[in-house]
Amino acid sequence: SAVISQKPSRDICQRGTSLTIQCQVDSQVTMMFWYRQQPGQSLTLIATANQGSEATYESGFVIDKFPISRPNLTFSTLTVSNMSPEDSSIYLCSSKDAVQETQYFGPGTRLLVL
Amino acid sequence: AQSVSQHNHHVILSEAASLELGCNYSYGGTVNLFWYVQYPGQHLQLLLKYFSGDPLVKGIKGFEAEFIKSKFSFNLRKPSVQWSDTAEYFCAVNPSGTYKYIFGTGTRLKVLA
Repeated sequence: SAVISQKPSRDICQRGTSLTIQCQVDSQVTMMFWYRQQPGQSLTLIATANQGSEATYESGFVIDKFPISRPNLTFSTLTVSNMSPEDSSIYLCSSKDAVQETQYFGPGTRLLVL
Repeated sequence: AQSVSQHNHHVILSEAASLELGCNYSYGGTVNLFWYVQYPGQHLQLLLKYFSGDPLVKGIKGFEAEFIKSKFSFNLRKPSVQWSDTAEYFCAVNPSGTYKYIFGTGTRLKVLA
């Protein structure tokens, strides 16, 4: 299984600012995903990070708010823009390769917006 | 809309008790099924998965799950829990042919020593 790391592990931010979260996978993977886990709720898929093209966003999530980059097959970033307290959440990166129909998750980034 | 229900939000058991966590999903087609576990302070880890074949699947740490297609269920079981099983457990459903995982809201299990 892929080993995934995320930076930062946690952050406290002021409203109106932006935070970029990095996700690094220890092997090349075909698909990378970004999830949000709000307090007391399930994991919700934000978008699929596509290598070499624009990310594919799920309903309710837009590129202006959550711009995503994926410059290669092992790395992706998620930016949470113009943050508000409602963005306080855990943001998770995951990956899935072409062979295994299984997603593996990073440790998450715990974000608190004041 | 597709959804996954985990009816037990919080479960408290004593060590050596048996465990069964419910998971039901709403999707009429073929699915892949997963249980993930998140131990305190750790990240989400795969516990077990079902793609096809024997509907009774065994995972790590003595856990197993049974897929009952007619009931749209994939319940997680362990005959005798340990204090170290204290964690949050998530059921996830992946409609075959798609990349999307739909997660349940999770069940927090606390095992008393």
